[in-house]
Amino acid sequence: KAGVTQTPRYLIKTRGQQVTLSCSPISGHRSVSWYQQTPGQGLQFLFEYFSETQRNKGNFPGRFSGRQFSNSRSEMNVSTLELGDSALYLCASSLKGLALLETQYFGPGTRLLVL
Amino acid sequence: DQQVKQNSPSLSVQEGRISILNCDYTNSMFDYFLWYKKYPAEGPTFLISISSIKDKNEDGRFTVFLNKSAKHLSLHIVPSQPGDSAVYFCAASGSNTGKLIFGQGTTLQVKP
Repeated sequence: KAGVTQTPRYLIKTRGQQVTLSCSPISGHRSVSWYQQTPGQGLQFLFEYFSETQRNKGNFPGRFSGRQFSNSRSEMNVSTLELGDSALYLCASSLKGLALLETQYFGPGTRLLVL
Repeated sequence: DQQVKQNSPSLSVQEGRISILNCDYTNSMFDYFLWYKKYPAEGPTFLISISSIKDKNEDGRFTVFLNKSAKHLSLHIVPSQPGDSAVYFCAASGSNTGKLIFGQGTTLQVKP
């Protein structure tokens, strides 16, 4: 079974631009979560989607948004990019979500550099 | 507020010996704990998990111990191999959180 895939793997943007990252979960998984990893803050939860609905949200500004499609694929969008948004963005999937104490499986991540 | 803490940023052990990675948590509502292994520029790879109804879970060379009263868990790797060298994250979640809370990670180096 194929794992979680994320595209693109690397991205360079400039301040003020917006960016869209894509995630395809493991086949059959309906919950998709997004995390941001930075050297200073570690791995931090952004949001979780299940059945095309945002079910949980972390403490990030409204510039960070996401959505999920009927095939469970998810996209994350960051508008008005700031230098501090440079990070590794990770997507994780599970069957139904952590509320049922499931294991999340991570993709390879998208490395975003904001100049 | 760091709800999950890995107080040792790094650990170095000799090949063949035991590696013990520690993790403490503060939220008593956490009831599911996981360990992930991560290489630079890659996503975390799931290693092993434990639910709060157990105090030990074993999978090959990896064993996780949970001490609920102390709010402490540990990952034992026996025997350690050079390929185990990576950053190890512990993570916790609860049925009321819906998300993983990660520790800051411990870099393990296994020397040949």
